[in-house]
Formats: sequence, structure tokens, C-alpha cells
Amino acid sequence: KQEVTQIPAALSVPEGENLVLNCSFTDSAIYNLQWFRQDPGKGLTSLLLIQSSQREQTSGRLNASLDKSSGRSTLYIAASQPGDSATYLCAVSGTSYGKLTFGQGTILTVHP
Amino acid sequence: EAQVTQNPRYLITVTGKKLTVTCSQNMNHEYMSWYRQDPGLGLRQIYYSMNVEVTDKGDVPEGYKVSRKEKRNFPLILESPSPNQTSLYFCASSPTQGGEQFFGPGTRLTVL
Repeated sequence: KQEVTQIPAALSVPEGENLVLNCSFTDSAIYNLQWFRQDPGKGLTSLLLIQSSQREQTSGRLNASLDKSSGRSTLYIAASQPGDSATYLCAVSGTSYGKLTFGQGTILTVHP
Repeated sequence: EAQVTQNPRYLITVTGKKLTVTCSQNMNHEYMSWYRQDPGLGLRQIYYSMNVEVTDKGDVPEGYKVSRKEKRNFPLILESPSPNQTSLYFCASSPTQGGEQFFGPGTRLTVL
């Protein structure tokens, strides 16, 4: 059974810092890995999708890497802003159709 | 606008009173899923559908039913809701197996 772990559980940083969120998974047989953002009481917004054959994806200030063999992914946020404050969720899509297994998330607070 | 919609967004009901949460997507996606999100347990898949008339159980299907009679709609049915089904529910869709998943805004259900 796939298990996804995210470290740290919570992170508080001053504005402008570069930061790294970590995600690990136990079963390397995945189709892809997706990073989401969730604001309090809101739905999930897809940030980045990395296919299993890819090593990284970039979107603006966000960069996600994937090391499938070691079961790890990192989300790098450059020059953090207060608007980046949210919960960040990592999810892997396994060999079953349409199923995402989620981590517990990292609660990020960026203070001015 | 491409989106996944859910209705209702908020619902308070009583034990045993049948209810349906609707989900609709306008992106012609084949894959649709339902998840529930609970504190400390994260997001867990309830049911998923690979296409019209094709559905299968996720991790926590007990107490739920689904149907997929049209490609765009994937309603979640609770025939006899119980308090342990109080949760935040999300519908998601994806164009392909292992593709990027798009989530609806969520339905907060309280069963008294």
C-alpha cells in the first residue's frame, strides 16, 4: 500500500526566503506526482505535475523535482511571499486508474 | 471556464436521511473521483470512475454509492448518512489515467 509522507508538517518563514518542502513515498511504481495548494476552507489548486519519466517541472517561482528510485520529491519555492501561505499537498498517482494517494500536507506561513 | 462544480457547497442533515452531492465537469474528462478530507487522516479516495458506466471502489467506499450515467456527471450518494460521514468532500476529474487532476471547490457535510 502506497504511503506518502510530507516533512515538515508546518513551516514559518519570513518573506523573501527560499524554501523547500519534502515529500516521500514508499512505492516507486507511480505514474506521476502532483503538488497542490489548499487555502483554508477551499479546494485544491494544482501547482505542478511531474510524470514518472521526468525529473523536474517549473512554474514561475515553483520548481518540483522527482527522484522515483528513492521515492522522493521536493517543492522549491523561491522568494516566498505572504500570499504563498497555504497548505501544500503532495500526491502520487499509482498503477490504479485515477487514484491519488495524498500526504498529510505542509502548512506554510510566510510572514511579512 | 474549465471547471469542476459541486453542489451543495454546505449541507447539514440528520442521520438516515438520504442525500446526493452532485459533481459536474465541463472538460470532457474520462476520469472522475470522489475524496473525503478529515483532520489527521488527510484526503482519501472514496470511489472513482474510468468512464461512463465504469466505477470502482477507492480506499473508503463503505456507506457511499456513485453512478456515472453521463461523462460529465458523477454524483455521490449517501443512502443512510451517519455522523462518521461528517467530512469535507471533493470531486476531481482528469483527462487521462495518471493525468493532472482538477478538483472541485468542496462540499462540507455535517450529519447530526
